[in-house]
Amino acid sequence: KAGVTQTPRYLIKTRGQQVTLSCSPISGHRSVSWYQQTPGQGLQFLFEYFSETQRNKGNFPGRFSGRQFSNSRSEMNVSTLELGDSALYLCASSSGDNSYNSPLHFGNGTRLTVT
Amino acid sequence: GNSVTQMEGPVTLSEEAFLTINCTYTATGYPSLFWYVQYPGEGLQLLLKATKADDKGSNKGFEATYRKETTSFHLEKGSVQVSDSAVYFCALVGYIPTFGRGTSLIVHP
Repeated sequence: KAGVTQTPRYLIKTRGQQVTLSCSPISGHRSVSWYQQTPGQGLQFLFEYFSETQRNKGNFPGRFSGRQFSNSRSEMNVSTLELGDSALYLCASSSGDNSYNSPLHFGNGTRLTVT
Repeated sequence: GNSVTQMEGPVTLSEEAFLTINCTYTATGYPSLFWYVQYPGEGLQLLLKATKADDKGSNKGFEATYRKETTSFHLEKGSVQVSDSAVYFCALVGYIPTFGRGTSLIVHP
């Protein structure tokens, strides 16, 4: 089974621009969640999508948004980029049938650098 | 809200030494608890999990027991190898997945 695929692996953007990151989950997984990983804050939950609907949301500003398509692929968008948005963005998928017990399967992440 | 606290790293050990990485949590309800491992340049991989009190998760020689009375889920391994060098994350998966800050493990030959 193919794992979780995130594209692109690396991205360099300028302050004020917007960016879209993509995530393809493991086949059959209906839940996709997104995380921001930084040395200062660690791993923080952004949001989770299940069957094209946002099911949970972390404590991030509205500049961070996402969506999920009918094939479970997900995109995350960050608008009006700030220097502090530089981070490794991780996507994870799970079966979602019982989200509290289902393990998360992570992609290798997208490294975003904002200059 | 939920929180996870892990011991600060790095933890530096010689090969074949005993490993303990402490993890405590605060949570409402009874979330599932997980340990994940992250190798350089990669995402997190599930190491083991426990879904209820007194459950013991184990994998690749690593073990952790879900202790409700002490709200802990400490990771242990009897004999570490150089290949175990990585960053380890304790996590609870409730309404909002919550991760510890990660503990870096460095194993010397």
